[in-house]
Amino acid sequence: KQEVTQIPAALSVPEGENLVLNCSFTDSAIYNLQWFRQDPGKGLTSLLLIQSSQREQTSGRLNASLDKSSGRSTLYIAASQPGDSATYLCAVRPGDQGAQKLVFGQGTRLTINP
Amino acid sequence: DAGITQSPRHKVTETGTPVTLRCHQTENHRYMYWYRQDPGHGLRLIHYSYGVKDTDKGEVSDGYSVSRSKTEDFLLTLESATSSQTSVYFCATRQGPDTEAFFGQGTRLTVV
Repeated sequence: KQEVTQIPAALSVPEGENLVLNCSFTDSAIYNLQWFRQDPGKGLTSLLLIQSSQREQTSGRLNASLDKSSGRSTLYIAASQPGDSATYLCAVRPGDQGAQKLVFGQGTRLTINP
Repeated sequence: DAGITQSPRHKVTETGTPVTLRCHQTENHRYMYWYRQDPGHGLRLIHYSYGVKDTDKGEVSDGYSVSRSKTEDFLLTLESATSSQTSVYFCATRQGPDTEAFFGQGTRLTVV
């Protein structure tokens, strides 16, 4: 059974720092991995999708990497801003044929201090 | 985002009553999903649809049913609500099985 872990559960850093959020998964057989952010009381906003054949994806100040063989993904946020404060979730689509669900981690709650 | 609207956004209902949550999308995405989000459990899949009238169960489907009579609408029904179904419910859509998933704003359901 695929399990996704995000450590740490919470992270607080000063504004302007570059930071890395971690995501690990137990089964390397995945179709893709997606990063989301969730603001309190809101829905999930998609940040980046990495297919299993890709090593990384970039969008603005965000860069996500994928190492499928080691079961790890990282989300790099450059020059952090207070507006980046949110909970960040990673989710994998398991490689079981027909498996439609996304398996989510519990998230990392990020606080950027001005 | 994919133009996903969930209704209602908030609902309080009594134990034993039926409840229907609606998800409406404007992007003509083929796949639609219902998840619930609970502290300590994260997001879990309830049911999903891979086309009109084509649905299947997720990992926490007991007590829930779904219907999809049109591409744009996916309904989640709690036949007889229980307190354990108090949760935040999210609808998600995507165009293909390996494409980006988009989520709605959620429905906060409280069963008293």
